[in-house]
Amino acid sequence: QVQLVQSGAEVKKPGASVKVSCKASGYTLTTYYIHWVRQAPGQGLEWMGIINPSGGSTNYAQKFQDRVTLTSDTSTSTVYMELSSLRSDDTAVYYCSREILPVAIGGGYYAMAVWGQGTTVTVSS
Amino acid sequence: EIVMTQSPATLSVSPGERATLSCRATQSISGNLAWYQQKPGQPPRLLIYGASTRATGIPARFSGSGSGTEFTLTISSLQSEDFAVYYCQQYNNWPSYTFGQGTKLEIK
Repeated sequence: QVQLVQSGAEVKKPGASVKVSCKASGYTLTTYYIHWVRQAPGQGLEWMGIINPSGGSTNYAQKFQDRVTLTSDTSTSTVYMELSSLRSDDTAVYYCSREILPVAIGGGYYAMAVWGQGTTVTVSS
Repeated sequence: EIVMTQSPATLSVSPGERATLSCRATQSISGNLAWYQQKPGQPPRLLIYGASTRATGIPARFSGSGSGTEFTLTISSLQSEDFAVYYCQQYNNWPSYTFGQGTKLEIK
């Protein structure tokens, strides 16, 4: 079945970087866009960015433009989210998600149908 | 940036009753709206996309309506498993997706 499996929890110090992985299975990674969304403790959902794994084109929320990098490795069907210059308010659960429509039939900047289990990133000195 | 405002923040409804959740956009998003359900400790689950199309496996008691700036999610007869937080999300004004702040649906 279609699955996105994310890497495990991370604890980082302020100023450090974190890289979270999202491994896709059950479908071909390059056929769907992947999004990253985060959720601070007790808070709502915040969209961070999107990547087209076929070619690697990206777009980021303005808030994260200078600190986030999304990449993909098609050989391992894995997408990565790297967030730099971490602050305490980056403490959150980070989710990757796949769109509902494949690129070939109109996907790209659409609703998110398949989600990873989430990765908790804690930033603390 | 388009701001999505959900109301009410908390909705208390008895099992078997109807729940109506609202979502408003600060400018027209056509029908490019999704609804998600989230339970504690779980990722969001897509319920509705295109404002009114149910995602695969979503029960018929969930329905979405609206276009432009006003949207509604209706749950016709609440089941125990429906008590959760619900988020709307616009994907019209990309690459800046925005979510509403959420509506907590609780048992009355």
